[in-house]
Amino acid sequence: GAGVSQTPSNKVTEKGKYVELRCDPISGHTALYWYRQSLGQGPEFLIYFQGTGAADDSGLPNDRFFAVRPEGSVSTLKIQRTERGDSAVYLCASSHQGDTGELFFGEGSRLTVL
Amino acid sequence: DQQVKQNSPSLSVQEGRISILNCDYTNSMFDYFLWYKKYPAEGPTFLISISSIKDKNEDGRFTVFLNKSAKHLSLHIVPSQPGDSAVYFCAATGTASKLTFGTGTRLQVTL
Repeated sequence: GAGVSQTPSNKVTEKGKYVELRCDPISGHTALYWYRQSLGQGPEFLIYFQGTGAADDSGLPNDRFFAVRPEGSVSTLKIQRTERGDSAVYLCASSHQGDTGELFFGEGSRLTVL
Repeated sequence: DQQVKQNSPSLSVQEGRISILNCDYTNSMFDYFLWYKKYPAEGPTFLISISSIKDKNEDGRFTVFLNKSAKHLSLHIVPSQPGDSAVYFCAATGTASKLTFGTGTRLQVTL
Protein backbone atom coordinates (compact mmCIF):
# COMPACT_ATOMS: atom_id res chain seq x y z
CA GLY A 1 0.00 0.00 0.00
CA ALA A 2 0.97 3.63 -0.34
CA GLY A 3 0.37 4.66 3.27
CA VAL A 4 2.30 4.34 6.51
CA SER A 5 2.26 0.74 7.67
CA GLN A 6 2.57 -0.29 11.32
CA THR A 7 2.95 -3.75 12.78
CA PRO A 8 1.67 -5.34 14.87
CA SER A 9 -1.73 -3.68 14.96
CA ASN A 10 -2.29 -5.15 18.42
CA LYS A 11 0.18 -6.38 20.99
CA VAL A 12 -0.65 -7.80 24.41
CA THR A 13 2.28 -8.41 26.71
CA GLU A 14 3.04 -8.95 30.35
CA LYS A 15 4.61 -6.43 32.66
CA GLY A 16 8.38 -6.57 32.46
CA LYS A 17 8.58 -7.94 28.92
CA TYR A 18 10.34 -6.38 25.93
CA VAL A 19 8.34 -5.09 22.96
CA GLU A 20 9.21 -3.93 19.44
CA LEU A 21 6.86 -1.94 17.25
CA ARG A 22 7.62 -1.48 13.56
CA CYS A 23 6.84 1.38 11.20
CA ASP A 24 7.21 1.41 7.42
CA PRO A 25 6.82 5.02 6.21
CA ILE A 26 5.63 6.30 2.88
CA SER A 27 8.31 5.75 0.27
CA GLY A 28 10.50 8.81 -0.18
CA HIS A 29 9.52 10.45 3.10
CA THR A 30 12.68 11.44 4.92
CA ALA A 31 11.02 12.49 8.16
CA LEU A 32 9.55 9.89 10.55
CA TYR A 33 7.82 10.45 13.87
CA TRP A 34 6.57 8.36 16.74
CA TYR A 35 3.66 9.52 18.87
CA ARG A 36 1.78 7.86 21.69
CA GLN A 37 -1.93 8.25 22.33
CA SER A 38 -3.39 7.27 25.66
CA LEU A 39 -7.11 6.87 26.23
CA GLY A 40 -8.93 10.20 26.12
CA GLN A 41 -5.81 12.13 25.14
CA GLY A 42 -4.35 13.55 21.98
CA PRO A 43 -1.23 12.11 20.39
CA GLU A 44 1.90 12.89 22.39
CA PHE A 45 5.26 13.36 20.64
CA LEU A 46 7.97 10.80 21.35
CA ILE A 47 10.74 11.07 18.74
CA TYR A 48 11.53 12.49 15.30
CA PHE A 49 13.95 11.12 12.72
CA GLN A 50 15.34 13.01 9.77
CA GLY A 51 16.94 10.31 7.66
CA THR A 52 18.75 7.83 9.88
CA GLY A 53 19.37 10.11 12.82
CA ALA A 54 17.12 10.99 15.72
CA ALA A 55 16.84 14.76 15.34
CA ASP A 56 14.65 15.18 18.42
CA ASP A 57 14.08 12.51 21.06
CA SER A 58 12.89 14.88 23.77
CA GLY A 59 9.51 13.15 24.04
CA LEU A 60 10.79 9.72 25.04
CA PRO A 61 9.52 9.32 28.63
CA ASN A 62 12.54 7.45 30.02
CA ASP A 63 15.44 5.22 29.05
CA ARG A 64 13.23 2.17 28.67
CA PHE A 65 12.15 3.63 25.34
CA PHE A 66 14.44 3.60 22.33
CA ALA A 67 13.89 3.93 18.58
CA VAL A 68 16.06 3.26 15.56
CA ARG A 69 15.91 3.90 11.85
CA PRO A 70 19.13 2.32 10.57
CA GLU A 71 18.62 2.74 6.83
CA GLY A 72 16.51 5.86 6.82
CA SER A 73 13.29 4.04 6.02
CA VAL A 74 11.76 1.48 8.41
CA SER A 75 11.83 2.39 12.09
CA THR A 76 11.47 0.27 15.20
CA LEU A 77 10.31 1.55 18.58
CA LYS A 78 11.67 -0.60 21.38
CA ILE A 79 10.28 -0.67 24.91
CA GLN A 80 12.15 -2.52 27.63
CA ARG A 81 10.72 -3.77 30.93
CA THR A 82 7.20 -2.74 29.96
CA GLU A 83 4.92 -1.25 32.61
CA ARG A 84 1.14 -1.08 32.71
CA GLY A 85 1.37 2.68 32.14
CA ASP A 86 2.94 2.02 28.75
CA SER A 87 -0.43 0.77 27.48
CA ALA A 88 -1.46 3.08 24.64
CA VAL A 89 -1.74 3.33 20.88
CA TYR A 90 1.66 4.02 19.36
CA LEU A 91 1.33 6.05 16.18
CA CYS A 92 3.96 6.41 13.51
CA ALA A 93 3.87 9.22 10.96
CA SER A 94 6.02 10.35 8.09
CA SER A 95 6.37 13.46 5.99
CA HIS A 96 8.34 14.51 2.96
CA GLN A 97 10.84 16.79 4.60
CA GLY A 98 9.44 17.44 8.05
CA ASP A 99 9.00 21.14 7.52
CA THR A 100 5.25 21.72 7.48
CA GLY A 101 3.75 19.67 10.27
CA GLU A 102 1.45 17.91 7.79
CA LEU A 103 2.06 14.36 8.83
CA PHE A 104 0.77 11.13 7.36
CA PHE A 105 -0.12 8.75 10.17
CA GLY A 106 -0.36 5.00 10.23
CA GLU A 107 -3.23 3.19 11.93
CA GLY A 108 -1.19 2.66 15.06
CA SER A 109 -0.08 -0.25 17.18
CA ARG A 110 -2.23 -0.81 20.24
CA LEU A 111 -0.06 -2.00 23.13
CA THR A 112 -1.66 -3.54 26.19
CA VAL A 113 0.56 -4.38 29.15
CA LEU A 114 -1.09 -6.74 31.63
CA ASP B 1 0.63 21.50 31.48
CA GLN B 2 -1.71 21.41 28.52
CA GLN B 3 -0.31 23.82 25.91
CA VAL B 4 -3.12 23.12 23.44
CA LYS B 5 -6.61 22.88 24.85
CA GLN B 6 -9.86 21.72 23.36
CA ASN B 7 -12.37 22.37 26.09
CA SER B 8 -15.36 20.73 24.43
CA PRO B 9 -14.99 16.94 24.47
CA SER B 10 -18.02 16.52 22.23
CA LEU B 11 -20.31 18.39 19.89
CA SER B 12 -23.52 17.38 18.16
CA VAL B 13 -24.72 19.22 15.06
CA GLN B 14 -27.55 18.64 12.64
CA GLU B 15 -26.72 17.78 9.05
CA GLY B 16 -26.50 20.90 6.90
CA ARG B 17 -25.73 23.20 9.84
CA ILE B 18 -22.40 24.75 10.75
CA SER B 19 -20.01 22.93 13.09
CA ILE B 20 -17.62 25.12 15.06
CA LEU B 21 -14.76 23.46 16.91
CA ASN B 22 -12.59 25.56 19.19
CA CYS B 23 -8.99 25.37 20.34
CA ASP B 24 -6.88 27.50 22.67
CA TYR B 25 -3.13 27.52 23.09
CA THR B 26 -0.77 28.99 25.65
CA ASN B 27 2.65 28.84 24.01
CA SER B 28 3.38 32.06 22.12
CA MET B 29 6.20 30.31 20.22
CA PHE B 30 3.66 28.30 18.22
CA ASP B 31 3.52 29.65 14.68
CA TYR B 32 1.75 26.98 12.68
CA PHE B 33 -1.54 25.33 13.49
CA LEU B 34 -3.27 22.29 12.09
CA TRP B 35 -6.47 20.32 12.38
CA TYR B 36 -6.52 16.54 12.11
CA LYS B 37 -9.52 14.29 11.82
CA LYS B 38 -9.61 10.79 13.25
CA TYR B 39 -12.02 7.93 12.60
CA PRO B 40 -12.11 4.91 14.96
CA ALA B 41 -9.28 2.42 14.42
CA GLU B 42 -7.54 4.74 11.98
CA GLY B 43 -4.66 7.15 12.32
CA PRO B 44 -5.31 10.90 12.30
CA THR B 45 -5.52 12.47 8.84
CA PHE B 46 -4.53 16.03 8.06
CA LEU B 47 -7.44 18.34 7.35
CA ILE B 48 -6.35 21.97 7.15
CA SER B 49 -3.63 24.26 8.48
CA ILE B 50 -2.89 27.93 9.05
CA SER B 51 0.29 29.90 9.50
CA SER B 52 0.50 32.58 12.16
CA ILE B 53 0.92 35.23 9.46
CA LYS B 54 -2.69 34.62 8.38
CA ASP B 55 -5.98 34.88 10.21
CA LYS B 56 -8.06 32.68 7.92
CA ASN B 57 -7.58 29.73 5.62
CA GLU B 58 -10.34 28.09 3.63
CA ASP B 59 -10.53 24.75 1.85
CA GLY B 60 -13.93 23.81 0.53
CA ARG B 61 -16.34 23.29 3.42
CA PHE B 62 -13.56 23.77 5.98
CA THR B 63 -12.32 27.13 7.26
CA VAL B 64 -9.83 27.72 10.03
CA PHE B 65 -9.70 31.06 11.83
CA LEU B 66 -6.76 32.20 13.95
CA ASN B 67 -6.90 34.95 16.57
CA LYS B 68 -3.30 35.36 17.72
CA SER B 69 -4.00 37.99 20.34
CA ALA B 70 -6.48 35.63 22.02
CA LYS B 71 -4.37 32.55 21.28
CA HIS B 72 -7.47 30.94 19.87
CA LEU B 73 -8.32 29.10 16.70
CA SER B 74 -11.48 27.57 15.41
CA LEU B 75 -12.51 25.18 12.68
CA HIS B 76 -15.75 25.81 10.84
CA ILE B 77 -17.40 23.09 8.80
CA VAL B 78 -20.29 24.19 6.64
CA PRO B 79 -22.48 22.50 5.69
CA SER B 80 -21.87 19.62 8.06
CA GLN B 81 -22.33 16.12 6.68
CA PRO B 82 -22.76 12.75 8.43
CA GLY B 83 -19.35 11.67 7.11
CA ASP B 84 -17.78 14.50 9.12
CA SER B 85 -18.57 12.59 12.32
CA ALA B 86 -15.14 11.92 13.83
CA VAL B 87 -12.75 13.15 16.49
CA TYR B 88 -11.04 16.41 15.57
CA PHE B 89 -7.65 17.27 16.99
CA CYS B 90 -6.15 20.71 17.02
CA ALA B 91 -2.33 20.75 16.83
CA ALA B 92 0.34 23.42 17.00
CA THR B 93 4.03 23.64 16.29
CA GLY B 94 6.89 26.07 16.59
CA THR B 95 9.43 23.72 15.00
CA ALA B 96 9.27 21.14 12.27
CA SER B 97 9.99 18.33 14.64
CA LYS B 98 6.99 18.07 16.89
CA LEU B 99 3.31 18.76 16.98
CA THR B 100 1.53 19.42 20.26
CA PHE B 101 -2.01 18.08 20.11
CA GLY B 102 -5.13 18.94 22.03
CA THR B 103 -7.29 16.24 23.60
CA GLY B 104 -9.78 16.23 20.74
CA THR B 105 -13.45 17.03 20.18
CA ARG B 106 -15.82 14.30 19.09
CA LEU B 107 -18.17 15.67 16.45
CA GLN B 108 -21.40 13.90 15.72
CA VAL B 109 -23.44 15.06 12.75
CA THR B 110 -27.00 13.89 13.05
CA LEU B 111 -29.54 13.44 10.28
